[in-house]
Amino acid sequence: DAGVIQSPRHEVTEMGQEVTLRCKPISGHNSLFWYRQTMMRGLELLIYFNNNVPIDDSGMPEDRFSAKMPNASFSTLKIQPSEPRDSAVYFCASRGDSNQPQHFGDGTRLSIL
Amino acid sequence: AQKITQTQPGMFVQEKEAVTLDCTYDTSDQSYGLFWYKQPSSGEMIFLIYQGSYDEQNATEGRYSLNFQKARKSANLVISASQLGDSAMYFCAMRDSYSGAGSYQLTFGKGTKLSVIP
Repeated sequence: DAGVIQSPRHEVTEMGQEVTLRCKPISGHNSLFWYRQTMMRGLELLIYFNNNVPIDDSGMPEDRFSAKMPNASFSTLKIQPSEPRDSAVYFCASRGDSNQPQHFGDGTRLSIL
Repeated sequence: AQKITQTQPGMFVQEKEAVTLDCTYDTSDQSYGLFWYKQPSSGEMIFLIYQGSYDEQNATEGRYSLNFQKARKSANLVISASQLGDSAMYFCAMRDSYSGAGSYQLTFGKGTKLSVIP
């Protein structure tokens, strides 16, 4: 069975550019989570969706970050404009029933120069 | 206050020995869940084991077991017969209380880096 699929795996871009990260959750999972991982701050929840609806975006660092889930099989995390401090690994995870574990994608390693 | 505490930034274990990774948590909820994830150097996050707060038996999954002590609010991961491939970061996480919309968040600890020595 396919797991959570994220693209791209790596992204290197210059500051000021728009960055779009993509995620395809596991089919049948109704919750989707975006995380950011850095050495300094560890793993931080940015936003999560339930049935395609954003439930809690309090972890989104600032207005430069936005996330959408137009349907049950696709989500995007956008950074515009990007800054060097946005460099991190961004994970997408999905989950079915609330007692089930979240399953993570392989992450997108983002470097903003 | 930190909800999940992993006090061991790094641990070493001899191959084939058992190792315990510590995790304590803080919650006032009666219903909660505890998870352990493994993150090897390649970066992916791999789910290992789950323990529900009402589960009376300690969870086990192959060489992984969870030493759940509810009164002490600890959920330590025990890896038996360590293998070189067990070298990785290990994260403890807790499912938060109901948010009102049917979805539960996970709060992660800072992680423990385990190194298995041949």
